[in-house]
Amino acid sequence: QQQVKQSPQSLIVQKGGISIINCAYENTAFDYFPWYQQFPGKGPALLIAIRPDVSEKKEGRFTISFNKSAKQFSLHIMDSQPGDSATYFCAATPAYSGAGSYQLTFGKGTKLSVIP
Amino acid sequence: EAQVTQNPRYLITVTGKKLTVTCSQNMNHEYMSWYRQDPGLGLRQIYYSMNVEVTDKGDVPEGYKVSRKEKRNFPLILESPSPNQTSLYFCASSLEGVGHEQYFGPGTRLTVT
Repeated sequence: QQQVKQSPQSLIVQKGGISIINCAYENTAFDYFPWYQQFPGKGPALLIAIRPDVSEKKEGRFTISFNKSAKQFSLHIMDSQPGDSATYFCAATPAYSGAGSYQLTFGKGTKLSVIP
Repeated sequence: EAQVTQNPRYLITVTGKKLTVTCSQNMNHEYMSWYRQDPGLGLRQIYYSMNVEVTDKGDVPEGYKVSRKEKRNFPLILESPSPNQTSLYFCASSLEGVGHEQYFGPGTRLTVT
């Protein structure tokens, strides 16, 4: 069964701190790992994504770190701001490798609260 | 404005009364998908469509039907809703599949009593 395990379930960080959310997967066919951000009352929106040919991808204050051998990837939010308070979902798919390539498996989500 | 729209946004219904949630996108995307979001369970895929007249089951398809007669529309049909289908539903679309950015609609909150 394809699963993506996400932790922690909730996270409270002070303004200016670093938020770290971790995900682990089992299916070695997964080859695309997006992170989605969801604000209350809204649909999720793509934040950043990575493919396993690189170990890190950075976009502004957001960085994905990817460890292929450990089958883990994580989202780091540097200089966290109250506006970053949202629910974050990691996801994975074998988008480019055939079987299951039209399905996206999500983690269960992390509710991030950044306090002033 | 590029967007995915869903209707209705909120719906309260009774067990067994057939309902349809509509989804439409104006981006000429080939791929569309339905998800349900439940507390503690995250987002789970119900059905997806790779193109017109091509659909397939996701992880939780039981109790749902879909159709893709036009590229822009992908309605979700509950033939005989039950209380365990009470959930927040999202439609999403992307250019060619899940390896591309998924654009989500605003969600439909369904309550089945």
